[in-house]
Amino acid sequence: DGGITQSPKYLFRKEGQNVTLSCEQNLNHDAMYWYRQDPGQGLRLIYYSQIVNDFQKGDIAEGYSVSREKKESFPLTVTSAQKNPTAFYLCASSELSGGAGDTQYFGPGTRLTVL
Amino acid sequence: AQKITQTQPGMFVQEKEAVTLDCTYDTSDPSYGLFWYKQPSSGEMIFLIYQGSYDQQNATEGRYSLNFQKARKSANLVISASQLGDSAMYFCAMSAMFSGGYNKLIFGAGTRLAVHP
Repeated sequence: DGGITQSPKYLFRKEGQNVTLSCEQNLNHDAMYWYRQDPGQGLRLIYYSQIVNDFQKGDIAEGYSVSREKKESFPLTVTSAQKNPTAFYLCASSELSGGAGDTQYFGPGTRLTVL
Repeated sequence: AQKITQTQPGMFVQEKEAVTLDCTYDTSDPSYGLFWYKQPSSGEMIFLIYQGSYDQQNATEGRYSLNFQKARKSANLVISASQLGDSAMYFCAMSAMFSGGYNKLIFGAGTRLAVHP
């Protein structure tokens, strides 16, 4: 079955630690995205990538880093510079037709808690 | 600036009845897309329906339909024959052009729907 997987489902981090969230897709989509969701709010874009070895900052990229070494994978690192990392993180992917209708499909999410 | 507004923090509906979730948007782009996603308590965002700005007819997907009123800049989601499994958060989103000619999604704050038996 095609889809997007994220791991782990739950992640606990001590202050000052970097942690990496995994995102893998087998939909053969060119574009991948990372979003952050805080309680009672919508999603905000952290980073996106249209092609391997290229990625762009979204609206709230400070304190985060990404890599895109393979088309299928787009890991997100939450660094110690991120002041409020406790949140729900969602990865998504889409085709890249260049139009307004590129539907983004989401993974199950990772809930990160800073202790 | 592009913006999505969902004015209903919570909605209740009786099972088997229809319900409308409101969404208004603001953009100056002539080409945009409007999306609805469902987020159950498990957290995953599930794509429901899409409407393009140039589409003449309202989109429908099974029990979901999108009431698109371009002049009023509204894109309300209508769920017919509600089921208990429809209880979830619902997000309206709009595609907007990002730097580099790339589309990104802008989300509203969501509406929590509760379906009562």
